[in-house]
Amino acid sequence: GENVEQHPSTLSVQEGDSAVIKCTYSDSASNYFPWYKQELGKRPQLIIDIRSNVGEKKDQRIAVTLNKTAKHFSLHITETQPEDSAVYFCAASPSGGSNYKLTFGKGTLLTVNP
Amino acid sequence: NAGVTQTPKFRVLKTGQSMTLLCAQDMNHEYMYWYRQDPGMGLRLIHYSVGEGTTAKGEVPDGYNVSRLKKQNFLLGLESAAPSQTSVYFCASSLDRGWGTEAFFGQGTRLTVV
Repeated sequence: GENVEQHPSTLSVQEGDSAVIKCTYSDSASNYFPWYKQELGKRPQLIIDIRSNVGEKKDQRIAVTLNKTAKHFSLHITETQPEDSAVYFCAASPSGGSNYKLTFGKGTLLTVNP
Repeated sequence: NAGVTQTPKFRVLKTGQSMTLLCAQDMNHEYMYWYRQDPGMGLRLIHYSVGEGTTAKGEVPDGYNVSRLKKQNFLLGLESAAPSQTSVYFCASSLDRGWGTEAFFGQGTRLTVV
């Protein structure tokens, strides 16, 4: 089955700096790669996702890049703010149907220091 | 629109007791999932369902059973609770579009087994 590795497990940055979180996956059939943010005591929520037919996607200060050949994808947060502090999870899944299931990485605790 | 609702939010069980966690979604989603979240372990898939009447094992299925008799409900059962099942449990659901789509999470159930 799919195995998703996520690094680093913790990341501390100064407000205004950039943060980068990296993930690798093992199943070449995976073609959907979402990122979730989980604030303390809350449920995970989708912040951005990318499908295998594109290499990069941006949404304001957040961007995701995908390298299907190397089987890795990354989350980039620019101009970080204290409210970006949370646990971030990457995930991977194949297409829909009976094989569809979302496999998560172990998470990255991001702390943005004012 | 309530989204994904889990019942109960908190529960304390004694070793050997049984219980059922209920997940209900009102978005007409085909896919539903049960994850457990433990410190440093991320979100691990217990069981999932790709449609009414179907269930499948995830990464950590031992000690759990599930049922999806109605499309909107996904039940997670613990027949004989063990301290190792102390965790936060999240239910999630998503649409089947033939490709990956956003998973919406419930608010979580904090289970303690003593």
